[in-house]
Amino acid sequence: LAKTTQPISMDSYEGQEVNITCSHNNIATNDYITWYQQFPSQGPRFIIQGYKTKVTNEVASLFIPADRKSSTLSLPRVSLSDTAVYYCLVVPQGYQKVTFGTGTKLQVIP
Amino acid sequence: EAQVTQNPRYLITVTGKKLTVTCSQNMNHEYMSWYRQDPGLGLRQIYYSMNVEVTDKGDVPEGYKVSRKEKRNFPLILESPSPNQTSLYFCASGSLAGQETQYFGPGTRLLVL
Repeated sequence: LAKTTQPISMDSYEGQEVNITCSHNNIATNDYITWYQQFPSQGPRFIIQGYKTKVTNEVASLFIPADRKSSTLSLPRVSLSDTAVYYCLVVPQGYQKVTFGTGTKLQVIP
Repeated sequence: EAQVTQNPRYLITVTGKKLTVTCSQNMNHEYMSWYRQDPGLGLRQIYYSMNVEVTDKGDVPEGYKVSRKEKRNFPLILESPSPNQTSLYFCASGSLAGQETQYFGPGTRLLVL
């Protein structure tokens, strides 16, 4: 299983773009990169997933360089409600064992 | 509504008293999994199941049992709970076709005295 490394915490002001980078040096060919958001005492919620290049949905963008050894979650114009813990996961195709890292605690400041 | 449900949501019990936390999903997902979450340790996988009658250990399986007799249900069994199993537990499910994304339940907060 590919181990992931993320910053433990980040602060951002409301309205700014936030980029959270995750390192996954030993990612395998069939692994997907997935990001989840978790609010206190709630289950994680899927944000975005990608395999390579760039993926964008209504809430975030995910940038994956060609070597796939890292990925960057981009949250445009964050609001106070984006204060949460963000987890980067490397998930093997077909699941099997899944390991969450410690996540990045994002604090959005008014 | 597509969802993962867990029961009970809160449970206080005593050491050694067997308990079961139920998990059910209505999305016809093949994959189901249990996690525990403790302060400073993040989410750790306990057991997972790839399909009916197929289960395997995650990172922290000691003290837990699971079964997958039906596709929609994946109960977590603590045969003899101990205080170190006090935690917040999450069940999740996912489809093996397409994106490898998991849908999480609301969590069960367990206190073992």
